[in-house]
This record gives sequence, structure tokens and C-alpha cells, in this order.
Amino acid sequence: SAVISQKPSRDICQRGTSLTIQCQVDSQVTMMFWYRQQPGQSLTLIATANQGSEATYESGFVIDKFPISRPNLTFSTLTVSNMSPEDSSIYLCSSQGGRSTDTQYFGPGTRLTVL
Amino acid sequence: QKEVEQDPGPLSVPEGAIVSLNCTYSNSAFQYFMWYRQYSRKGPELLMYTYSSGNKEDGRFTAQVDKSSKYISLFIRDSQPSDSATYLCAGGTGFQKLVFGTGTRLLVSP
Repeated sequence: SAVISQKPSRDICQRGTSLTIQCQVDSQVTMMFWYRQQPGQSLTLIATANQGSEATYESGFVIDKFPISRPNLTFSTLTVSNMSPEDSSIYLCSSQGGRSTDTQYFGPGTRLTVL
Repeated sequence: QKEVEQDPGPLSVPEGAIVSLNCTYSNSAFQYFMWYRQYSRKGPELLMYTYSSGNKEDGRFTAQVDKSSKYISLFIRDSQPSDSATYLCAGGTGFQKLVFGTGTRLLVSP
């Protein structure tokens, strides 16, 4: 399975600011995904990070709010822009394909609190 | 109706008990079913997955899918305190677009 790290592990931010979360995989993978996990709710897919092209966003999520980069096959970033307290959540990245050709493996998550 | 429904628990059992965790789903196109375990303040960890209907066993864990009733189960034999975690089920038409349940919190007491 792929080993995934995320930075930062947690942060407390002020309303109106932006935070960029980094996701690093220890091997080249085909797909990378970003999820949000809010208390008492299921993991919700934000977008698929596509290498070399624009991310594919799920319904309810837009690029202006959650810009995503994927410069290569092992790295991706998610930015949470113009934050409000409603953005307080755990943000998780996952990977699929590559060395492990089957299902998704997750990073440890970034716990974000917006004041 | 959510696509994947899961009782949030908590489910409390004594050590050594057999645990049954269950989910229902509504999308009949789902072919892949996953179980993830998530410890507090950690990312989800894949336990096992099954394709279509049937059973799959891995050590103390058995996953079962009944597509006719759209029912997914995870059985844990000889439960241990270290099994205390939140268990997430997920379904999908492939490995990429997974739909998750909210998770069931399991507490195994010594």
C-alpha cells in the first residue's frame, strides 16, 4: 500500500485567510483525491486531483474556494480559500493506482479550525 | 436518503465478543464494497474490500455483501480493546468514486 503524509497535521486559522495543505505519496500513483470529514458526517469527496490538468470537482465544491494542484505523480496541494468557521473540518487526501492497483489509501488528515 | 447508511453507535462490547457492523446502500450499481478502520485523530485505514456479493475473510475479520438486500456487514471475531475505533463502510462502481457511510464507533472493553 502507498504511504501518504500530509502537512500540516493541524492548524488554527483566522476567518478570511487561506491555508494550503500538502499531500505527499511515497510512490507514483495514478489518482489522488481530496476529501472533507466533518463531525458526524461521512467522508465527502471534494475533488479528484489530475496530474497536469485542472482538478475535477464534485457537486457543491468550486475551484475558487478549493484550488488544487498536482504537479507530479506523487504530490498534490489543496488550498482552502477565504475561510469561514464552516470550513472547520478534517481534510484528507487519498491515492489510488500505481504500486497498489486497487482501492484508495488515505493520509493522516489535516485538522483545520477556523475562528 | 443517503446512498450509504450506517448506524453511528457507539457499539459497546466486552473483549472476546463477536462484533457485527452493518451498512445498507441504495445504489444498485455498486460493485465494490470497502471497510475502513479509523482511530481517533488518524486517517482511515483499509481493512478489506469485496467485489459483488459473497464473503471475504482476513484473520479475525469477515466482510459479507448481500446485493439482493443491499446489505454490507463486517464481523470481528474475538474482539480486542485495540479494535476500538470508528469503522467506515463504502461502496462504489469502481475504486475511485467511493461513497462512504458516516461510520460506526466501536468500543471494546477489557
